[in-house]
Amino acid sequence: NAGVTQTPKFRVLKTGQSMTLLCAQDMNHEYMYWYRQDPGMGLRLIHYSVGEGTTAKGEVPDGYNVSRLKKQNFLLGLESAAPSQTSVYFCASRGGRGYTFGSGTRLTVV
Amino acid sequence: GIQVEQSPPDLILQEGANSTLRCNFSDSVNNLQWFHQNPWGQLINLFYIPSGTKQNGRLSATTVATERYSLLYISSSQTTDSGVYFCALNSGNTPLVFGKGTRLSVIA
Repeated sequence: NAGVTQTPKFRVLKTGQSMTLLCAQDMNHEYMYWYRQDPGMGLRLIHYSVGEGTTAKGEVPDGYNVSRLKKQNFLLGLESAAPSQTSVYFCASRGGRGYTFGSGTRLTVV
Repeated sequence: GIQVEQSPPDLILQEGANSTLRCNFSDSVNNLQWFHQNPWGQLINLFYIPSGTKQNGRLSATTVATERYSLLYISSSQTTDSGVYFCALNSGNTPLVFGKGTRLSVIA
């Protein structure tokens, strides 16, 4: 049982490049989330989804887009990366016993 | 939205010592979790504890929902307990909100 899997684990982008982060969960959870974590801070919510085909904005959505075409996958896109998006990104899904987090993606934008 | 405050922000312990971490919150909750972020950045779910008391080995947690706080107890601390401890919670179907964490350093 893999839980929540994030790919890739590390990535370096140049300013202006685009990329997609993939989150996959095998627990049949309806709710999925993308958070970012910056040094010395807790996790802040970027976007979330309450079910297949739905998305909603969180606390810090600017510069990101998301899609939930399949229940098990939640994609986070950066259309034009900026240095301010250098961060560690965590995906999570929610079940009856709380949230389960992936192992994170460390993204550096130079 | 709901506010989460953790204390202390930093804590240094000698190996073998006990500690208590506190999480105060501003509204009623139906989900509260404690996480440990290890030095490699992984978030480990310690407790799902919207109310009551739970124990897992040297760790235990208590949430008093009516008084809007939760406590995480670490007994006989070990160097592997080092890292950042986060309290996170939500009410209804709102997303999980994180505190800023307590950074724990356990020294041998």
